[in-house]
Amino acid sequence: QSVLTQPPSASGTPGQRVAISCSGSSSNIGTNTVNWYQQLPGTAPKELIYRNNQRPSGVPDRFSGSKSGTSASLAISGLQSEDEADYYCGAWDDSLNGYVFGTGTKVTVL
Amino acid sequence: QVQLVQSGSELKKPGASVKVSCKASGYTFTNYAMTWVRQAPGQGLEWMGWINTNNGNRMYAQGFSGRFVFSLDTSDSTAYLQISSLKAEDTAVYYCATITFVGGATLVDYWGQGTLVTVSS
Repeated sequence: QSVLTQPPSASGTPGQRVAISCSGSSSNIGTNTVNWYQQLPGTAPKELIYRNNQRPSGVPDRFSGSKSGTSASLAISGLQSEDEADYYCGAWDDSLNGYVFGTGTKVTVL
Repeated sequence: QVQLVQSGSELKKPGASVKVSCKASGYTFTNYAMTWVRQAPGQGLEWMGWINTNNGNRMYAQGFSGRFVFSLDTSDSTAYLQISSLKAEDTAVYYCATITFVGGATLVDYWGQGTLVTVSS
């Protein structure tokens, strides 16, 4: 069982803003930085956000990340059809001495 | 550019072993540690542990010790995941990825394309 909790699904129409939450605890998000990954259907995960709010080169600025306390959030503004994918948060957990992923959120573009 | 290329899909019988390879290119192999991630069909991502590419030290996540072994061939810039005594529940896509520990940040940034291991009689 994952120690990072995400809503199973989120949706929006093209152009809308969608936000995905990632809830953790003091041993993971509360202490360490959060990363986000996008997994398009049938493909490998791809790093979308690292260190809470940093975008790797090539990731559109429509994607943004934030963190407050023991929770983090990924926002997608100006939703596009190609954003339809599964999204996962991830962080190091000091109690488990390991990396943990969130439960994953499926984003659907209506 | 950093590239991780994994070996192809495998179909194995219960009780057999499998070895998945992950060949790195585009960077100095020992600059990044390597991690492995499992994704069962229709399920989420599960972190399996990591191996230090400088000294070969390994750390396995809970539930992945014993039958799962990480190894390296640094001369060929390749990491390996071996699974022994395969069970049906090992059926999954296995990903390798680079992992970096920098200050308070842990980055899992470059991913292989994944290897599907199917265990079936």
